[in-house]
Amino acid sequence: KQEVTQIPAALSVPEGENLVLNCSFTDSAIYNLQWFRQDPGKGLTSLLLIQSSQREQTSGRLNASLDKSSGRSTLYIAASQPGDSATYLCAVRLSGYALNFGKGTSLLVTP
Amino acid sequence: GAGVSQSPRYKVAKRGQDVALRCDPISGHVSLFWYQQALGQGPEFLTYFQNEAQLDKSGLPSDRFFAERPEGSVSTLKIQRTQQEDSAVYLCASSQGTVLGAFFGQGTRLTVV
Repeated sequence: KQEVTQIPAALSVPEGENLVLNCSFTDSAIYNLQWFRQDPGKGLTSLLLIQSSQREQTSGRLNASLDKSSGRSTLYIAASQPGDSATYLCAVRLSGYALNFGKGTSLLVTP
Repeated sequence: GAGVSQSPRYKVAKRGQDVALRCDPISGHVSLFWYQQALGQGPEFLTYFQNEAQLDKSGLPSDRFFAERPEGSVSTLKIQRTQQEDSAVYLCASSQGTVLGAFFGQGTRLTVV
């Protein structure tokens, strides 16, 4: 089974800082990797999807990179804001249908 | 609809009771997934439908769990004889294809007492 690990488990930063969330996976034969945001008591919001042939994707202040050979992805958040506070989940899809999720990084951005 | 809709949002069941959770996917989405998310954990895959066909049910934890999507649109996840370990948030997701991005509903929080 694909193992997905997210580091750190929790992170607290002051507003305005740039930050990096890490995701590692054990099986490099992935179809795609997706980053999600989850707010307390709510479902998942897709942030970025990287296909296996891509190296990175960008959306606004978010940039996600993918290095299949090393089994790693990073989510870079520029100029963090209190509204960015949430749990960020990394999910990998192999040849099957299921997304394999990490446990998430809980981010708190303080004013 | 504009997004994936799940109902009810919250469900409290007595141990041993049967429950049914509903998912309305985004219109036209072929793929539908159910996930279970325990407190403090990432979602775990339960089952996958392509239209009305259930192509993968390898994640269903026991034969008390049953899912259907008879007309290839709305799906129902049924849990029979609920137990305390079934307490979790049940998430439904849909996508246009298996390799495209998935869109998740807000989930149903099931508490078994």
